Amino acid sequence: GAGVSQSPSNKVTEKGKDVELRCDPISGHTALYWYRQSLGQGLEFLIYFQGNSAPDKSGLPSDRFSAERTGGSVSTLTIQRTQQEDSAVYLCASSPGSLYNSPLHFGNGTRLTVT
Amino acid sequence: KNQVEQSPQSLIILEGKNCTLQCNYTVSPFSNLRWYKQDTGRGPVSLTIMTFSENTKSNGRYTATLDADTKQSSLHITASQLSDSASYICVVTFFYGNNRLAFGKGNQVVVIP
Repeated sequence: GAGVSQSPSNKVTEKGKDVELRCDPISGHTALYWYRQSLGQGLEFLIYFQGNSAPDKSGLPSDRFSAERTGGSVSTLTIQRTQQEDSAVYLCASSPGSLYNSPLHFGNGTRLTVT
Repeated sequence: KNQVEQSPQSLIILEGKNCTLQCNYTVSPFSNLRWYKQDTGRGPVSLTIMTFSENTKSNGRYTATLDADTKQSSLHITASQLSDSASYICVVTFFYGNNRLAFGKGNQVVVIP
């Protein structure tokens, strides 16, 4: 496929469990972003990877959240000890370059429900 | 305070009619403004992107306008179709700030037959 792929599409987990969300960006895209979308809210920035540079983690809401990007391609967002307020849609996006002049392509997201 | 405000929050329109969605922003300086369409259960899909020096951009039945002086943008949908039912999100790129974006909460459009 040519688009950004995210898995799983849906995840239901019990409070306190850890979850891993995966993102496969478009091949060749150097920039990768994670956002969180809660009902009725705008997208909330979580973390940004650009090539081999240190990621911008300034949007991560707590130390329970972490993300990795291996080999400049696939990324995994990990949420430890999930809480009910973590329930949201987690969107991944990738871009071939700077957002000054490059498109941003989104995946279809992972809907996380913490019970 | 949200840096991108959209109105109306939601609207219902008859198939075939036109509608205009509004976006006001405070981000300054900014490098570009984007409109995205998000269908239920899907990720946002790009409709238009305008740099700060552009005034209008079209994509089929979608036409976006930008007034950088008043910090306002609009998205006009012509001859609406049932498939236009979606959330339309206005997104502003910060000129400074490491590729940071400011997102509106979206205009929820429902097209009825």
